[in-house]
Amino acid sequence: KAGVTQTPRYLIKTRGQQVTLSCSPISGHRSVSWYQQTPGQGLQFLFEYFSETQRNKGNFPGRFSGRQFSNSRSEMNVSTLELGDSALYLCASSLQGALTEAFFGQGTRLTVV
Amino acid sequence: DAKTTQPNSMESNEEEPVHLPCNHSTISGTDYIHWYRQLPSQGPEYVIHGLTSNVNNRMASLAIAEDRKSSTLILHRATLRDAAVYYCILRGGGGSNYKLTFGKGTLLTVNP
Repeated sequence: KAGVTQTPRYLIKTRGQQVTLSCSPISGHRSVSWYQQTPGQGLQFLFEYFSETQRNKGNFPGRFSGRQFSNSRSEMNVSTLELGDSALYLCASSLQGALTEAFFGQGTRLTVV
Repeated sequence: DAKTTQPNSMESNEEEPVHLPCNHSTISGTDYIHWYRQLPSQGPEYVIHGLTSNVNNRMASLAIAEDRKSSTLILHRATLRDAAVYYCILRGGGGSNYKLTFGKGTLLTVNP
């Protein structure tokens, strides 16, 4: 079966801009969770959506937001980009919930200049 | 808050068993222990998870200490494809109010 697809794979943005990342989960998976990965902080949880509702969120500022559509596809938006937002953004889908036998996409590498 | 501690790196030889430790001395009773691994340029891959009892699957075994303050991921026969960063992660709480605690990961090198 098709895996988790994240688009785009690479992105370069300027400080102050906003960006939208997309995640298509495995068919049938209603849970989509997002993570930020940096060399300094490692993996950090951003939020989880389940059946179009945000079920939980990590400790990130309000500039980070997301949504989930009726087909379970999810988008993540970061507004007013800062240099520190440069990271690998990963999404994962699962049947039961964040990190429970979840499948990850390859990530979107965001560089803010 | 719970915290997980893993060695930065470990080395193994091909076809030998590997024991990857994780310390989580402040784990709470409802925290599940999850292990994922990440190969270069890829997203993490699910390995195994458990709560109290030892767990086995086709990829690995998870041994959980009786007091649950530590756990060990066991790869029974390491292969070159097992070279990756292994993350120990706690998922705590129930329902929608869970907390995720990530380890920094252990870089496993497998020598041929």
